[in-house]
Parts: sequence; structure tokens; C-alpha cells
Amino acid sequence: SSELTQDPAVSVALGQTVRITCQGDSLRSYYASWYQQKPGQAPVLVIYGKNNRPSGIPDRFSGSSSGNTASLTITGAQAEDEADYYCNSRDSSGNHLRVFGGGTKLTVL
Amino acid sequence: EVQLVQSGAEVKKPGESLKISCKGSGYSFTSYWIGWVRQMPGKGLEWMGIIYPGDSDTRYSPSFQGQVTISADKSISTAYLQWSSLKASDTAMYYCAARIAAAADFDYWGQGTLVTVSS
Repeated sequence: SSELTQDPAVSVALGQTVRITCQGDSLRSYYASWYQQKPGQAPVLVIYGKNNRPSGIPDRFSGSSSGNTASLTITGAQAEDEADYYCNSRDSSGNHLRVFGGGTKLTVL
Repeated sequence: EVQLVQSGAEVKKPGESLKISCKGSGYSFTSYWIGWVRQMPGKGLEWMGIIYPGDSDTRYSPSFQGQVTISADKSISTAYLQWSSLKASDTAMYYCAARIAAAADFDYWGQGTLVTVSS
């Protein structure tokens, strides 16, 4: 199966910009989706496709991709953005299969 | 409004069987893939598998193939995740999630079912 690698932890000062990255061979061919998970809550989709936000997701969240790396950027991070973030993309094992990255804990200072 | 409502928390002993459920509403249950995600205590998300309720086409992550069974009853818009013989290592939160509006993986999620396996 494919692997997606994320940094375990990232921090950002309140109001600053932070980029969370995800690396994997499948990202050369397929877009990543990004999920936000706060403690005790179910994950929430924040970015999918080339750079699409579901309804209700603030426009400070954006996505990009280059080579084998996908990135989630938060421009002007807010205290409420402190959460775990997971990337997700196709798994080479088969169609419709997906895999998650290990997750990045974002701390807003 | 799309809703996925999961069954309640379970406490089981090793070797016991278990089937947890996820009822979908507010959308055409038979027309969209629905799947399961495991989250062990303090750990990350793990993609388990997915089913298309319309024809019961089911796909499993290699890590979970043979370990669990995913099924669906389209007559009651409910998906299931079941174990025939639980292990302590199955202790985790299990989320169901559906792939509906977005060209992504899962865009709607259930609230989670906590499964605790302990002797």
C-alpha cells in the first residue's frame, strides 16, 4: 500500500501563516484531501481536489501540490485552528482505496 | 441534511463477536460509497474499507482484509462493521464516513463508536 508522510507537529504564531505538508509517491498522480480533527470530535474535510473547500470552511485554508508533496496552508491562523490535520489520497493497492497520513498536530501560539 | 448516526459504545471481551452500525439519512444511501475509519487511542486515522450499498461492492485496505467485515442493508440505509473474534488491539474509536458531495474521500462523518475490548 501507499504511504503518506507528515511532520508530527507544527506550530504557528496567532495570525501568521503555516504550511502543513504531506509526502508520498501517489501524490505525483492524485490530489490529496485534508481533514481537521479537534479533540473528541470526528474529522472534518477542509480541502479536496486541486484546491477546493467544502461549504463552511474558511477561505484562510488552501491546498496546493508539487511533485510528491501536497500542502495545506492556513493564512492568518486562528486559535480555533489548533487541531490535528490529516492528509488522505489514493492507495496504490486498488481503486477506491485510500490511505491517511500519520497526522500533524498544529499548535497556535 | 446528510446525517450518519452510529450505534453506541461497546465493551466486549476478547474472542467475542461484534457488529456496529451506521445509519445514513438525508441522501440517497444506495448511490454513494460509505466506509469505516479506525482511530486507536492517541493515534492517527486508519482507512479500513468501503462499500457501495447499491450493489454491495466492497473494498478493504490490505491492513484490514480478513480482519473485519463491512456490509450494508440498503432497505434500512445502514452500514455495518463486524468482527467475528475481537482482540484487545481492536480497542479504538471507529468512524463511518460517506463519500457524497465532494470529489474527495469522505466528506460526511458519523459521530464515532468507541469499542473497548478487555478481559
